[in-house]
Amino acid sequence: DAGVIQSPRHEVTEMGQEVTLRCKPISGHDYLFWYRQTMMRGLELLIYFNNNVPIDDSGMPEDRFSAKMPNASFSTLKIQPSEPRDSAVYFCASSLNSDNQPQHFGDGTRLSIL
Amino acid sequence: AQSVTQPDIHITVSEGASLELRCNYSYGATPYLFWYVQSPGQGLQLLLKYFSGDTLVQGIKGFEAEFKRSQSSFNLRKPSVHWSDAAEYFCAVSTGFQKLVFGTGTRLLVSP
Repeated sequence: DAGVIQSPRHEVTEMGQEVTLRCKPISGHDYLFWYRQTMMRGLELLIYFNNNVPIDDSGMPEDRFSAKMPNASFSTLKIQPSEPRDSAVYFCASSLNSDNQPQHFGDGTRLSIL
Repeated sequence: AQSVTQPDIHITVSEGASLELRCNYSYGATPYLFWYVQSPGQGLQLLLKYFSGDTLVQGIKGFEAEFKRSQSSFNLRKPSVHWSDAAEYFCAVSTGFQKLVFGTGTRLLVSP
């Protein structure tokens, strides 16, 4: 079975540029999550969707960050304009619709903003 | 507020020795608890989960964890560690509506 697929795996860009991270969840999963992982702050939940609808975006750091889920098989996380402090590993995860169902993680996108 | 504490930032264990990683949670209701493992350059992989019933749960790769309500703990154990177990381990509690709160992780180093 295909897991959660994220692209690109690595992204290096200059500050001020727009960055778009992509995620394909596991087919049939109702929930999709975006996390950010840094040494300083650990694993932070940015936003999550249920049936393509954003449920909680309280973890999105600022207006420069936006996320969309146009359909059940695709989501994007966009940073515009990017800043060096946005450098981190960004993970996407998906799960079935139940609190006792685990989240399945992608391999992440390592983002470096120069 | 719900929280998860992993008091050990890193632990070194000799190969073949036993392992216990500590996890304490703060949550008002009956928790759903998880242990994940993260190898370098990879995402988090589920090791095991506890929802209800038997307080000793078995997971993949020979890991097990014991839920102790009186101590608000969910410690991860393995009787004999292999070099391939070197990774970072995260404990997490589900707070409802599918949201997880993660601990800060414990990095496991395995010495020969």
